[in-house]
Amino acid sequence: GAGVSQSPRYKVTKRGQDVALRCDPISGHVSLYWYRQALGQGPEFLTYFNYEAQQDKSGLPNDRFSAERPEGSISTLTIQRTEQRDSAMYRCASSLTGYKETQYFGPGTRLLVL
Amino acid sequence: QQQVKQSPQSLIVQKGGISIINCAYENTAFDYFPWYQQFPGKGPALLIAIRPDVSEKKEGRFTISFNKSAKQFSLHIMDSQPGDSATYFCAASATDKLIFGTGTRLQVFP
Repeated sequence: GAGVSQSPRYKVTKRGQDVALRCDPISGHVSLYWYRQALGQGPEFLTYFNYEAQQDKSGLPNDRFSAERPEGSISTLTIQRTEQRDSAMYRCASSLTGYKETQYFGPGTRLLVL
Repeated sequence: QQQVKQSPQSLIVQKGGISIINCAYENTAFDYFPWYQQFPGKGPALLIAIRPDVSEKKEGRFTISFNKSAKQFSLHIMDSQPGDSATYFCAASATDKLIFGTGTRLQVFP
């Protein structure tokens, strides 16, 4: 079956622009997670959803970052007024029911802010 | 207290050898410890996971050893193969939020 998909795969933007990153989880998966992964580092938790409800957003760096999952399926991570320090790989993962279940990761969106 | 410390940063092993990667944690509330394998250009994929009620879990050539009192756990790869060359991440969680280690780049030479 299809895995987690993310789009775009690469995004180059200028400082100050807004970007929207999309995640399409595995069909039927209740939980959806966003991580940020710097080069040579492990994924860093940003936020997660169960269905459409955002359960934990403690990892979002500041109020320029927001996420939504309005219908409990596709999710969008939005970064407003991008800064160069936002450049990273943004990864989405989904799991069937959440806690202690396997998280399946997508291929990521590589964001470069110039 | 939310950190997971992983070592070594990189590891070079000859084919057929044993690869050992270690992780340590502080938060005693952690109760789920997965290991993820990541190939270049790909997302991390679950390799094996353990819960603290057991001290060891084995799946094929991969074994997790868990020491609850020391708050340490490790991944052993037996009979390491060139195809095992990848970056390995340990992780821990007490909720849905996974806390990842910094990763170990494993290279297995023929």
